[in-house]
Amino acid sequence: DAGITQSPRYKITETGRQVTLMCHQTWSHSYMFWYRQDLGHGLRLIYYSAAADITDKGEVPDGYVVSRSKTENFPLTLESATRSQTSVYFCASMSGGGYEQYFGPGTRLTVT
Amino acid sequence: DAKTTQPNSMESNEEEPVHLPCNHSTISGTDYIHWYRQLPSQGPEYVIHGLTSNVNNRMASLAIAEDRKSSTLILHRATLRDAAVYYCILRDEEGAQKLVFGQGTRLTINP
Repeated sequence: DAGITQSPRYKITETGRQVTLMCHQTWSHSYMFWYRQDLGHGLRLIYYSAAADITDKGEVPDGYVVSRSKTENFPLTLESATRSQTSVYFCASMSGGGYEQYFGPGTRLTVT
Repeated sequence: DAKTTQPNSMESNEEEPVHLPCNHSTISGTDYIHWYRQLPSQGPEYVIHGLTSNVNNRMASLAIAEDRKSSTLILHRATLRDAAVYYCILRDEEGAQKLVFGQGTRLTINP
């Protein structure tokens, strides 16, 4: 289906484990973004990418790693998960020169 | 990034107009005013954006003050489906294509 998808939608993991959240978009948008949203708060930018192989840090990048080898995919990896990374993670995409970011449905991650 | 100030919450009745205010006194000349909303358990969705002139689309209207230090999102006839958190965001069109979300306004619609 066309659009932006995230997987898994729900994930429970233990402290210290490595976790990868996937994001896939079918529009060939050049920009992709990762945000986290903690309970009762607005979204905060973790990392973003302007094109394949181009990534940059956002507001809260510590503890996260991203890569973008293909335009349509933008995985987010928590190298060693901590309880403070329990959150809802949203991926978004936007066309170059565009003005609207399109958000995925989110991944709810719980770190125990 | 320029900052916006919104009320934490607002309440309105179904089928009545809703005016959601946003203050952005430090806005720069290249900042566009964007509005997004987040329905319960969903990702944010774009609503509208503008620079200087008032803007209308199928979802809402955006009224921008002449000095651009404030703006108002107008929902002309609220429905229960409009209950959401509304975010007013300034985006520098000449900078990185990032959105900086504040706390937003939680809009409750009474039937």
